[in-house]
Amino acid sequence: KNEVEQSPQNLTAQEEEFITINCSYSVGISALHWLQQHPGGGIVSLFMLSSGKKKHGRLIATINIQEKHSSLHITASHPRDSAVYICAVYRNYGQNFVFGPGTRLSVLP
Amino acid sequence: DAGITQSPRYKITETGRQVTLMCHQTWSHSYMFWYRQDLGHGLRLIYYSAAADITDKGEVPDGYVVSRSKTENFPLTLESATRSQTSVYFCASSVGAGAANTGELFFGEGSRLTVL
Repeated sequence: KNEVEQSPQNLTAQEEEFITINCSYSVGISALHWLQQHPGGGIVSLFMLSSGKKKHGRLIATINIQEKHSSLHITASHPRDSAVYICAVYRNYGQNFVFGPGTRLSVLP
Repeated sequence: DAGITQSPRYKITETGRQVTLMCHQTWSHSYMFWYRQDLGHGLRLIYYSAAADITDKGEVPDGYVVSRSKTENFPLTLESATRSQTSVYFCASSVGAGAANTGELFFGEGSRLTVL
């Protein structure tokens, strides 16, 4: 079983829809990151979380350490949000990030 | 412009040839990483470096060699390329020290390597 799982794998939404992407992990972590990768493009860090909730514009990320679960929410989605969203955790042991498989989001106009 | 840059962005080579992918960062970040990204897999760590002259293996190090003589550079060499090394390679850097490296990760644009 992968240490980091994401759901859904693929998601298609209409513009303006509220979107939720989930990440669950099975190891002890120091921090969790949400990353965004546009088609053919590089990878950008959106959030780093160790507890609670963070908000940047239309993006909100939450983490529940006890339940080993994080969610990324996008409010009022837009076609430019179409990308792969990747959850990454920094394990308590070893100096290494572990990445989820990614969620491919397509937002249709 | 400051940041983390990779070169080449695209490379086609033949089996058995040596290939070096370059990574350069301008922030003096302590940590640098090389990942490969393949369909059906998340990003997988090849090698990482905690500082100049300190490198360590990641999850999939076989067939790769790294060095870090200067803080800002972290080249990845495929000594004898194989078809299974066809992939997209990402270099990343992070501020961090010790086990609590919770700093933000900065990625290069990626290097797409095809081994024929």
